[in-house]
Amino acid sequence: KQEVTQIPAALSVPEGENLVLNCSFTDSAIYNLQWFRQDPGKGLTSLLLIQSSQREQTSGRLNASLDKSSGRSTLYIAASQPGDSATYLCAPGDGGSQGNLIFGKGTKLSVKP
Amino acid sequence: NAGVTQTPKFQVLKTGQSMTLQCAQDMNHNSMYWYRQDPGMGLRLIYYSASEGTTDKGEVPNGYNVSRLNKREFSLRLESAAPSQTSVYFCASIPLTGENYGYTFGSGTRLTVV
Repeated sequence: KQEVTQIPAALSVPEGENLVLNCSFTDSAIYNLQWFRQDPGKGLTSLLLIQSSQREQTSGRLNASLDKSSGRSTLYIAASQPGDSATYLCAPGDGGSQGNLIFGKGTKLSVKP
Repeated sequence: NAGVTQTPKFQVLKTGQSMTLQCAQDMNHNSMYWYRQDPGMGLRLIYYSASEGTTDKGEVPNGYNVSRLNKREFSLRLESAAPSQTSVYFCASIPLTGENYGYTFGSGTRLTVV
């Protein structure tokens, strides 16, 4: 059974800092991996999708990397802003008939002005 | 606006009562999902529907039933609510099963069972 761990559980940084969120998963046989953002009281918004054959994916100030063999992914946020404050969730997908995602518990990020 | 719509947004039930959570998407997606989110547990899959006319159990299906009414709508029913079902419920959809991308989530239903 796939298990996903996100470290740290919570992170508080001053505005402008670069930061890294970590995700590890136990089963390396994944189809892809996604990073989501969840704002308080809201649903999830997809940020980045990395296919299993890719090493990284970039969108604006966000960069996600994937090391499938070691079961790790990182989300790098450059020049953090207060608007980045949210919970970030990592979710490997198995691409099977379920099309299911297994979610980590998330990292709650707070960016202080 | 295109997306996934969940109703109601909030609900309080008494133990033993029943209710149906509604979900509708207008993106012509094939697959739809129901997740629950609990503090310290992350999101867990309750039921999913890979395509219209099919439904299957996820990780935590006990105490729930689902109906894929048509391609747009996927409802979740609690027949006899229990306090353990207090949670935030999210509906999601994707264009094609097996691709694992293009997920769109609803804004959630916050359910409290007393």
